[in-house]
Amino acid sequence: DAGITQSPRHKVTETGTPVTLRCHQTENHRYMYWYRQDPGHGLRLIHYSYGVKDTDKGEVSDGYSVSRSKTEDFLLTLESATSSQTSVYFCAISGDRPSQPQHFGDGTRLSIL
Amino acid sequence: AQSVTQPDIHITVSEGASLELRCNYSYGATPYLFWYVQSPGQGLQLLLKYFSGDTLVQGIKGFEAEFKRSQSSFNLRKPSVHWSDAAEYFCAVARDAGNMLTFGGGTRLMVKP
Repeated sequence: DAGITQSPRHKVTETGTPVTLRCHQTENHRYMYWYRQDPGHGLRLIHYSYGVKDTDKGEVSDGYSVSRSKTEDFLLTLESATSSQTSVYFCAISGDRPSQPQHFGDGTRLSIL
Repeated sequence: AQSVTQPDIHITVSEGASLELRCNYSYGATPYLFWYVQSPGQGLQLLLKYFSGDTLVQGIKGFEAEFKRSQSSFNLRKPSVHWSDAAEYFCAVARDAGNMLTFGGGTRLMVKP
């Protein structure tokens, strides 16, 4: 398995609180991604990074911010969580070459009450 | 913009029967196509990918998929399903060699004994 660790694996919090999810990789891959998974929608891209301090928005970026200060870590922050952000969040990594498609972490289940 | 449709939300097959999961995509150029499988509580595992060349691609766990440009399809097949194949399957398309994936909504496979 690709060396991807997501933390925490589960979190319950209240509306309006800040939340940070962490993705850590040991593969030294350039690209890192955050997705959310909701029933019937598959996975939707929130933000991605193509290098240290280089990030860009995905399809559903409103209400989320990201940071990447080191190659191995990619943080997803919900500045003020809302109930609509209750979801399962997946981190993925990929390299530059076609032989290196995206590989996924085990996910973080986030519930916002 | 690229899009992916998986017409079947749920499919039930008997163990030992053949399986075909449908995937249709919309993309202007030659796409990069993927199938992922997700077991409950787990991340996504890559089954197979198509970049170019032979339109019939082989993957792990005995799965194969066929790229048909004329039908904009990339259907997943397995000749004989095992109970352990019960999971959710996602088709995805990318502009590049694994970056910026767009996922279909998924097909949940159930296997009857």
